[in-house]
Amino acid sequence: ETGVTQTPRHLVMGMTNKKSLKCEQHLGHNAMYWYKQSAKKPLELMFVYNFKEQTENNSVPSRFSPECPNSSHLFLHLHTLQPEDSALYLCASSQARDGDYEQYFGPGTRLTVT
Amino acid sequence: GDSVTQMEGPVTLSEEAFLTINCTYTATGYPSLFWYVQYPGEGLQLLLKATKADDKGSNKGFEATYRKETTSFHLEKGSVQVSDSAVYFCALMDSNYQLIWGAGTKLIIKP
Repeated sequence: ETGVTQTPRHLVMGMTNKKSLKCEQHLGHNAMYWYKQSAKKPLELMFVYNFKEQTENNSVPSRFSPECPNSSHLFLHLHTLQPEDSALYLCASSQARDGDYEQYFGPGTRLTVT
Repeated sequence: GDSVTQMEGPVTLSEEAFLTINCTYTATGYPSLFWYVQYPGEGLQLLLKATKADDKGSNKGFEATYRKETTSFHLEKGSVQVSDSAVYFCALMDSNYQLIWGAGTKLIIKP
Protein backbone atom coordinates (compact mmCIF):
# COMPACT_ATOMS: atom_id res chain seq x y z
CA GLU A 1 0.00 0.00 0.00
CA THR A 2 1.16 3.48 -0.75
CA GLY A 3 -0.05 6.96 0.15
CA VAL A 4 -3.08 7.40 2.37
CA THR A 5 -5.72 4.69 2.60
CA GLN A 6 -9.18 4.87 4.14
CA THR A 7 -11.66 2.16 5.08
CA PRO A 8 -14.44 1.61 4.52
CA ARG A 9 -15.02 3.47 1.28
CA HIS A 10 -18.77 3.52 1.83
CA LEU A 11 -20.76 3.29 5.06
CA VAL A 12 -24.48 3.40 5.75
CA MET A 13 -25.49 3.61 9.37
CA GLY A 14 -28.56 4.29 11.43
CA MET A 15 -28.73 7.11 13.91
CA THR A 16 -28.27 4.75 16.85
CA ASN A 17 -25.33 2.81 15.46
CA LYS A 18 -21.68 3.04 16.46
CA LYS A 19 -19.07 2.73 13.75
CA SER A 20 -15.46 3.77 13.12
CA LEU A 21 -13.62 5.14 10.13
CA LYS A 22 -9.99 4.17 9.67
CA CYS A 23 -7.15 6.04 7.99
CA GLU A 24 -3.60 4.84 7.47
CA GLN A 25 -0.72 6.74 5.95
CA HIS A 26 2.35 5.05 4.50
CA LEU A 27 4.35 8.23 3.93
CA GLY A 28 6.18 8.59 7.23
CA HIS A 29 4.33 11.83 8.00
CA ASN A 30 3.88 13.25 11.48
CA ALA A 31 0.57 15.08 11.10
CA MET A 32 -2.88 13.71 10.24
CA TYR A 33 -6.20 15.39 9.58
CA TRP A 34 -9.91 14.65 9.34
CA TYR A 35 -12.02 16.74 6.98
CA LYS A 36 -15.74 16.72 6.24
CA GLN A 37 -16.81 17.40 2.65
CA SER A 38 -20.46 18.22 2.13
CA ALA A 39 -22.09 19.13 -1.15
CA LYS A 40 -21.68 22.78 -2.15
CA LYS A 41 -19.70 23.68 0.98
CA PRO A 42 -15.98 24.30 1.50
CA LEU A 43 -13.99 21.54 3.09
CA GLU A 44 -14.38 21.62 6.85
CA LEU A 45 -11.35 20.79 8.94
CA MET A 46 -12.47 18.66 11.88
CA PHE A 47 -9.37 17.48 13.74
CA VAL A 48 -5.60 17.74 13.48
CA TYR A 49 -3.05 15.50 15.13
CA ASN A 50 0.65 16.34 15.31
CA PHE A 51 2.92 13.60 16.64
CA LYS A 52 -0.19 11.79 17.92
CA GLU A 53 -1.33 14.82 19.92
CA GLN A 54 -4.56 16.55 19.00
CA THR A 55 -3.81 20.15 18.15
CA GLU A 56 -7.05 21.22 16.53
CA ASN A 57 -10.72 20.56 17.17
CA ASN A 58 -12.90 22.88 15.15
CA SER A 59 -15.95 22.81 17.41
CA VAL A 60 -16.87 19.35 16.22
CA PRO A 61 -19.85 17.74 18.00
CA SER A 62 -18.94 15.10 20.56
CA ARG A 63 -20.70 12.41 18.53
CA PHE A 64 -17.45 12.44 16.50
CA SER A 65 -14.51 11.11 18.50
CA PRO A 66 -11.04 10.92 16.96
CA GLU A 67 -8.26 8.58 18.00
CA CYS A 68 -4.63 8.58 16.91
CA PRO A 69 -2.80 5.60 18.42
CA ASN A 70 0.39 6.26 16.44
CA SER A 71 1.62 8.58 13.73
CA SER A 72 0.47 6.23 10.95
CA HIS A 73 -3.10 5.56 12.01
CA LEU A 74 -6.10 7.77 12.61
CA PHE A 75 -9.62 6.76 13.53
CA LEU A 76 -12.91 8.59 13.67
CA HIS A 77 -15.41 6.96 16.00
CA LEU A 78 -19.03 7.72 15.23
CA HIS A 79 -22.07 7.37 17.49
CA THR A 80 -25.64 8.67 17.48
CA LEU A 81 -25.12 10.60 14.28
CA GLN A 82 -27.66 12.82 12.60
CA PRO A 83 -28.76 12.75 8.94
CA GLU A 84 -26.91 16.05 8.37
CA ASP A 85 -23.67 14.23 9.18
CA SER A 86 -23.97 12.41 5.86
CA ALA A 87 -20.92 13.51 3.85
CA LEU A 88 -17.57 12.43 2.46
CA TYR A 89 -14.99 12.16 5.24
CA LEU A 90 -11.46 12.72 4.08
CA CYS A 91 -8.25 11.90 5.86
CA ALA A 92 -4.98 13.64 5.04
CA SER A 93 -1.40 13.62 6.25
CA SER A 94 1.56 15.95 6.00
CA GLN A 95 5.18 16.26 7.03
CA ALA A 96 6.76 19.60 7.70
CA ARG A 97 9.93 19.71 5.66
CA ASP A 98 11.75 22.93 4.79
CA GLY A 99 8.48 24.79 5.14
CA ASP A 100 6.60 22.39 2.89
CA TYR A 101 3.39 21.26 4.57
CA GLU A 102 1.69 19.75 1.54
CA GLN A 103 -1.23 17.56 2.53
CA TYR A 104 -1.80 14.16 0.95
CA PHE A 105 -5.37 12.90 0.91
CA GLY A 106 -6.99 9.52 1.06
CA PRO A 107 -9.94 8.61 -1.20
CA GLY A 108 -12.49 9.29 1.53
CA THR A 109 -15.33 7.41 3.19
CA ARG A 110 -18.80 8.20 1.87
CA LEU A 111 -21.05 8.16 4.96
CA THR A 112 -24.83 8.01 4.78
CA VAL A 113 -26.81 8.35 8.01
CA THR A 114 -30.35 7.02 7.78
CA GLY B 1 -9.78 35.81 9.24
CA ASP B 2 -8.18 34.33 6.18
CA SER B 3 -10.47 33.30 3.35
CA VAL B 4 -10.48 32.04 -0.23
CA THR B 5 -13.08 32.83 -2.87
CA GLN B 6 -13.46 30.83 -6.07
CA MET B 7 -15.71 31.32 -9.02
CA GLU B 8 -18.86 29.29 -8.79
CA GLY B 9 -19.36 26.35 -11.06
CA PRO B 10 -20.03 24.36 -12.89
CA VAL B 11 -17.79 25.58 -15.65
CA THR B 12 -18.60 23.80 -18.90
CA LEU B 13 -16.18 23.92 -21.82
CA SER B 14 -15.55 22.09 -25.05
CA GLU B 15 -12.41 20.04 -25.51
CA GLU B 16 -9.35 22.14 -26.47
CA ALA B 17 -10.88 25.34 -25.06
CA PHE B 18 -8.92 27.72 -22.86
CA LEU B 19 -9.62 27.43 -19.15
CA THR B 20 -9.54 30.04 -16.41
CA ILE B 21 -10.82 29.41 -12.89
CA ASN B 22 -10.63 32.50 -10.73
CA CYS B 23 -9.37 32.45 -7.16
CA THR B 24 -8.85 35.40 -4.83
CA TYR B 25 -7.80 35.39 -1.24
CA THR B 26 -7.77 37.47 1.92
CA ALA B 27 -4.93 36.87 4.32
CA THR B 28 -2.45 38.44 6.66
CA GLY B 29 0.97 38.43 5.08
CA TYR B 30 1.88 36.32 2.08
CA PRO B 31 0.65 32.78 2.50
CA SER B 32 1.52 29.81 0.30
CA LEU B 33 -1.20 29.15 -2.27
CA PHE B 34 -2.39 25.85 -3.69
CA TRP B 35 -4.64 24.31 -6.28
CA TYR B 36 -5.98 20.84 -5.54
CA VAL B 37 -8.02 18.66 -7.89
CA GLN B 38 -10.60 16.02 -7.02
CA TYR B 39 -11.51 13.50 -9.71
CA PRO B 40 -14.83 11.66 -9.36
CA GLY B 41 -14.77 9.13 -6.54
CA GLU B 42 -11.32 10.12 -5.36
CA GLY B 43 -9.67 12.25 -2.70
CA LEU B 44 -7.93 15.54 -3.35
CA GLN B 45 -4.57 15.71 -5.11
CA LEU B 46 -2.18 18.63 -5.12
CA LEU B 47 -2.14 20.08 -8.62
CA LEU B 48 0.28 22.98 -8.15
CA LYS B 49 1.46 25.51 -5.61
CA ALA B 50 3.28 28.81 -5.21
CA THR B 51 5.01 29.95 -2.07
CA LYS B 52 5.79 33.62 -2.74
CA ALA B 53 4.68 36.56 -4.82
CA ASP B 54 5.19 36.27 -8.59
CA ASP B 55 5.89 32.54 -8.34
CA LYS B 56 4.24 30.47 -11.06
CA GLY B 57 3.14 26.97 -10.20
CA SER B 58 2.65 24.54 -13.06
CA ASN B 59 1.74 20.90 -13.57
CA LYS B 60 0.02 18.80 -16.26
CA GLY B 61 -0.41 21.87 -18.47
CA PHE B 62 -2.07 23.89 -15.71
CA GLU B 63 -0.54 27.14 -14.46
CA ALA B 64 -1.26 29.70 -11.76
CA THR B 65 0.68 32.83 -10.82
CA TYR B 66 0.77 34.28 -7.33
CA ARG B 67 -0.33 37.91 -7.72
CA LYS B 68 -0.02 39.85 -4.48
CA GLU B 69 -1.23 43.10 -6.06
CA THR B 70 -4.59 41.58 -6.88
CA THR B 71 -4.46 38.86 -4.16
CA SER B 72 -5.25 36.31 -6.83
CA PHE B 73 -4.10 32.84 -7.92
CA HIS B 74 -6.13 32.07 -11.04
CA LEU B 75 -5.83 28.62 -12.59
CA GLU B 76 -5.31 28.43 -16.36
CA LYS B 77 -4.85 25.79 -19.01
CA GLY B 78 -4.43 26.44 -22.69
CA SER B 79 -6.26 23.40 -24.05
CA VAL B 80 -8.46 21.28 -21.82
CA GLN B 81 -9.24 17.60 -22.28
CA VAL B 82 -12.21 15.50 -21.24
CA SER B 83 -9.96 13.91 -18.61
CA ASP B 84 -9.61 17.30 -16.90
CA SER B 85 -13.23 17.09 -15.76
CA ALA B 86 -13.05 17.30 -11.98
CA VAL B 87 -13.56 19.65 -9.06
CA TYR B 88 -10.78 22.18 -8.50
CA PHE B 89 -10.06 23.70 -5.09
CA CYS B 90 -8.01 26.79 -4.35
CA ALA B 91 -6.46 27.00 -0.88
CA LEU B 92 -4.05 29.03 1.20
CA MET B 93 -1.91 27.99 4.14
CA ASP B 94 -2.50 30.16 7.16
CA SER B 95 -0.03 31.14 9.86
CA ASN B 96 -0.88 27.95 11.81
CA TYR B 97 0.02 25.80 8.78
CA GLN B 98 -3.64 24.90 8.23
CA LEU B 99 -5.23 25.02 4.80
CA ILE B 100 -8.08 27.46 4.21
CA TRP B 101 -10.19 26.22 1.33
CA GLY B 102 -12.33 27.73 -1.37
CA ALA B 103 -15.71 26.11 -2.08
CA GLY B 104 -14.45 24.30 -5.17
CA THR B 105 -15.30 24.73 -8.86
CA LYS B 106 -16.68 21.84 -10.86
CA LEU B 107 -15.25 21.66 -14.37
CA ILE B 108 -17.07 19.75 -17.11
CA ILE B 109 -15.33 19.21 -20.44
CA LYS B 110 -17.46 18.04 -23.35
CA PRO B 111 -15.94 16.15 -26.30
